[in-house]
Order: sequence, then C-alpha cells, then structure tokens
Amino acid sequence: QSALTQPRSVSGSPGQSVTISCAGTSSDVGTYNYVSWYQQHPGKALKLMIYDVTNRPSGVPDRFSGSKSDNTASLTISGLQAEDEGDYYCCSYAGTYTWVFGGGTKLTVL
Amino acid sequence: QVQLVESGGGVVQPGRSLRLSCEASRFMFSNFGMVWVRQAPGKGPEWVSFISYDASKKTYADSVKGRFTISRDNSKNTLYLQMNSLRAEDTAVYYCVKRVNFYFDYWGQGTPVTVSS
Repeated sequence: QSALTQPRSVSGSPGQSVTISCAGTSSDVGTYNYVSWYQQHPGKALKLMIYDVTNRPSGVPDRFSGSKSDNTASLTISGLQAEDEGDYYCCSYAGTYTWVFGGGTKLTVL
Repeated sequence: QVQLVESGGGVVQPGRSLRLSCEASRFMFSNFGMVWVRQAPGKGPEWVSFISYDASKKTYADSVKGRFTISRDNSKNTLYLQMNSLRAEDTAVYYCVKRVNFYFDYWGQGTPVTVSS
C-alpha cells in the first residue's frame, strides 16, 4: 500500500494548460482503470474532479481531463483559471476493496 | 446535496481509544459503501477503511489493521470508526466519505484527531 507519486507542485499562467502526473505500479494504476482525482481548497472538503480515469462528474468544467498510460495517470487542466489553484490528489483502486492515494500536487496559478 | 458530518475527534494520549461518528443525510445511506480517509498535516490523504452497504465486507489499511474497527448503523444513517491503541502517527484529520463503485463522490469536512502525551 505505497502512496502514488505526484509532483509536489506545478504552476501555470491563466489560459495555459498544466498536467499533473500520478505514478503508480502494476498493482494499482497499471491494472485498474479506476483512477480518480480530487481538488482541495484550504479548509474545504475534497471535491471529485475525475473518476474512472477519464470521466467528469456533472458540474466539473470540461477544462479538466484525465488519461492513463501504463502505470501513470495524468490530470490535465486547460484554460487555467484563478479558481483552479489548490491541491490535487490522485487515487487508484488497488484491489480487494483497498485504495491508494497520491501525496498531492499544489497548483499555483501565476 | 449529500451531507456527511463527522464528530468525535479530539486530543488523546498514546495507547488510548477514540470513537468517530459520521452522520449522513440527503441520500439513501443504506445503499452505499462508505470509507474513512485520513490526512496527516501536510500530507496526502490515506485510505483507512471500507465498509460495504450492508456491513458484510470490511477492509483496513495495513497501518490500522487490528487496531481500528469500522461499523455502521443503517437505522441511524451513521458510520463509525473505533480507534484503539492510538499512536502519534494516527494524528490526522479523519474524513467520512461516500463511495460509488471505485471512487469517492462526497467527502465530509473532517474531524481532527491528535495523539499526544
């Protein structure tokens, strides 16, 4: 049950695109198409942004997209907006009703 | 809008116990699996435990196995986490989370637990 690996920080200017990677193993990200992404603003509850690698819940802007290749998943945010600034966490199902999270990435909108 | 309200956190000495509760509302609680997730200061979230909608299936992270027990009372729309033999490394904000298939669609605001002498 080792944590997924994310970059500690990324940044971009308004209107630009940024991609956050999430590296796992063949026991989690590589085996299951069940990667989800969560946004957290200071003092707020986590919010689901992407589920099952590529799906967006209703209400999440289509600027947010997800993908996966082998053992690494990615979250891409296009057309960056100031409100996108915050912490982002990936999560993967790891089998037998267990899950593993990433350490988190702080997104700064310059 | 789904509501999940945690309670029961606080400051406790190492080796002691604490019981967290989570009151759920505005959805059919008895139809959904639930999990507890914790987040230590400055760290990413850590999945702690899962319970199926009917409590027939329970799983735990290795870090808490044998010390924590998850349970639920569907008649009261309430999820619990009994935490025994607490350690300093259990210090975190504990979140009650609604599970849908293989992801988590709603999170509570969390209740802080500090284990310190």
